[in-house]
Amino acid sequence: GDSVTQMEGPVTLSEEAFLTINCTYTATGYPSLFWYVQYPGEGLQLLLKATKADDKGSNKGFEATYRKETTSFHLEKGSVQVSDSAVYFCALTNAGGTSYGKLTFGQGTILTVHP
Amino acid sequence: ETGVTQSPTHLIKTRGQQVTLRCSSQSGHNTVSWYQQALGQGPQFIFQYYREEENGRGNFPPRFSGLQFPNYSSELNVNALELDDSALYLCASSLPLAGGIWSYNEQFFGPGTRLTVL
Repeated sequence: GDSVTQMEGPVTLSEEAFLTINCTYTATGYPSLFWYVQYPGEGLQLLLKATKADDKGSNKGFEATYRKETTSFHLEKGSVQVSDSAVYFCALTNAGGTSYGKLTFGQGTILTVHP
Repeated sequence: ETGVTQSPTHLIKTRGQQVTLRCSSQSGHNTVSWYQQALGQGPQFIFQYYREEENGRGNFPPRFSGLQFPNYSSELNVNALELDDSALYLCASSLPLAGGIWSYNEQFFGPGTRLTVL
C-alpha cells in the first residue's frame, strides 16, 4: 500500500536558519503530494501541494518540489521564524482506481525555532 | 464561509463505553473523511462518506461506524471503547472533482475532538 516516510526526530533551529524536512513516499500511479502543518492545540492546515512530477508547491516562504525519480517531496524554507514552530506532516493522496481520495500521512516532524 | 467544526472539543470515557463525535462540513462540501491521530503519530484514515454512503474505509474494526446526514454533517461512532482508542479524531470535508477524480481534492480539517479512554 501507499506510505510516507519523514525524517526522524524533532528539529530545533535558531531564528533565520535554513530548514529542510525530508519526505519520501511509496505509491503506485500518480499521487498528489501535500505538506500539512499543525500548530499546538489546533487541527491540520494545508501548507502547500503539488499534483504532478516536477511541480513546485510554495506558500509562506516554504517550498517543496515533487521529485518522481527519487520519490521525494522535501520541505524547505530559507529563513525560519519562531512562529513556524509546529508539527509538519507530509502526505499523499492517490485514487489508484478507487473512488475516494484518502490522505496517507507521515509520522510528523516537530519543528522548534528559538529566538 | 464557515469552516469545518467538530464537537465536543474534549471527551473522557471509560473502557467499554460508546461515544459519538460530530462534524459539520464546510459550506457546500458533500464529502467527509474521518481520521484518528494517536499521540505523536500522523493521522490514520478511518473512513469517508459521500452523499450519505460510506465510500471508502481504512484498517479499522467494525466498531468504528459513521453516518452522514442530508446536510452533509457527519457522526463517528465508536462502540466498546478500548484504551488504544484514546486519540485526536479529525474530520475533513472536501468536494469531489467532476468525473470522480479524487486525487486532487483539498481536504479541509476541523480542530478535532480529543478522546481519552480510561
